[in-house]
Amino acid sequence: ILNVEQSPQSLHVQEGDSTNFTCSFPSSNFYALHWYRWETAKSPEALFVMTLNGDEKKKGRISATLNTKEGYSYLYIKGSQPEDSATYLCAPTPPGTASKLTFGTGTRLQVTL
Amino acid sequence: NAGVTQTPKFQVLKTGQSMTLQCAQDMNHEYMSWYRQDPGMGLRLIHYSVGAGITDQGEVPNGYNVSRSTTEDFPLRLLSAAPSQTSVYFCASSGRGLAGADTQYFGPGTRLTVL
Repeated sequence: ILNVEQSPQSLHVQEGDSTNFTCSFPSSNFYALHWYRWETAKSPEALFVMTLNGDEKKKGRISATLNTKEGYSYLYIKGSQPEDSATYLCAPTPPGTASKLTFGTGTRLQVTL
Repeated sequence: NAGVTQTPKFQVLKTGQSMTLQCAQDMNHEYMSWYRQDPGMGLRLIHYSVGAGITDQGEVPNGYNVSRSTTEDFPLRLLSAAPSQTSVYFCASSGRGLAGADTQYFGPGTRLTVL
């Protein structure tokens, strides 16, 4: 079982603020890092899958970076909107483990007007 | 495509009862998994399968059985329900690709209460 830490646990920002969260994981035995967005009463939806050190992915106002050598990934949201309110989960994957993701407990983001 | 479907959406059981949570996917995905979600614990892997006829345990397998007789279906069986199994259960699938780097698609979840 991987030790995955996400911080902060929760975050409350106002509309228009930019924000970022951290996912920390063991840098040894790394293969891929997944980010998911999970709205209340819905099921998790994939945002990004990253594998390479220095990788950066972007989807609209949301972007993520990956540092496999030090074992962390950042998720950024630019100009937060109320519809960004959700829990953001990360899941690192060691090699050869297929669907066996170990999820962090997530960062719960609330964006208010 | 319907994606990943789960039935039932809600279920209430009494302690000691058994039941099967159904999961099906129509994306021809090889990998399927079951997770449970509990407050403060995030998503924890119960069992997973890398293809028909192949299953393996995840982080919290006790009290649950699975089988994978077809590519499409991956039912989760509770043999003798306990209050500690009160949770929301998610099924997920991912396609054949680089192991561990494939996006997982989640079903809508089953909310189970054991009295």
